[in-house]
Amino acid sequence: GAGVSQSPRYKVTKRGQDVALRCDPISGHVSLYWYRQALGQGPEFLTYFNYEAQQDKSGLPNDRFSAERPEGSISTLTIQRTEQRDSAMYRCASSLYGGGADEQFFGPGTRLTVL
Amino acid sequence: AQTVTQSQPEMSVQEAETVTLSCTYDTSENNYYLFWYKQPPSRQMILVIRQEAYKQQNATENRFSVNFQKAAKSFSLKISDSQLGDTAMYFCAFFLQGGSEKLVFGKGMKLTVNP
Repeated sequence: GAGVSQSPRYKVTKRGQDVALRCDPISGHVSLYWYRQALGQGPEFLTYFNYEAQQDKSGLPNDRFSAERPEGSISTLTIQRTEQRDSAMYRCASSLYGGGADEQFFGPGTRLTVL
Repeated sequence: AQTVTQSQPEMSVQEAETVTLSCTYDTSENNYYLFWYKQPPSRQMILVIRQEAYKQQNATENRFSVNFQKAAKSFSLKISDSQLGDTAMYFCAFFLQGGSEKLVFGKGMKLTVNP
């Protein structure tokens, strides 16, 4: 595709429900990143993949959060038993090979609201 | 751990004037990249400019330029001939080459360009 796409764009859920957020990176991009952005803050790193391998998940807040990229393309970030503090914008980014020389292209984000 | 600080939460400038946004960072490493990202009201994340730490020459992109002071760990963004479309949140970000593949963002600064 032309850019990174994410779905859904908006998600409202009740506390305790599970949610799955999808990211479709730019075709051919090896590296994929997930960030979380609270209102009025900068994005915070959650996890990243090279191809299908999850290279770093140090930013995942707790074990309710998980991510996968089974075929090295589309990725899903899953939040189990959502809590109100999980409300934020969840952004996905992709880059061709990773590394600082490669630009990370960001998707439009999924705005998650947990009631 | 690397940190990025943007101490000015908000600034305003008149159209056609020049404005400088400040950013400092903390790292003990030598090989890294610095970025400025723009987030307009549409909430996209758009790369404005990138600086490689090993390069002494300051990066420029049209009306945007940086003042990179490696010893002082300072990385300011200068916007010349400000335009209404420059109104946005601006985030400074750090990327450690060869380390964890993540951007570390500052809290951001809201810039308003007035007509």
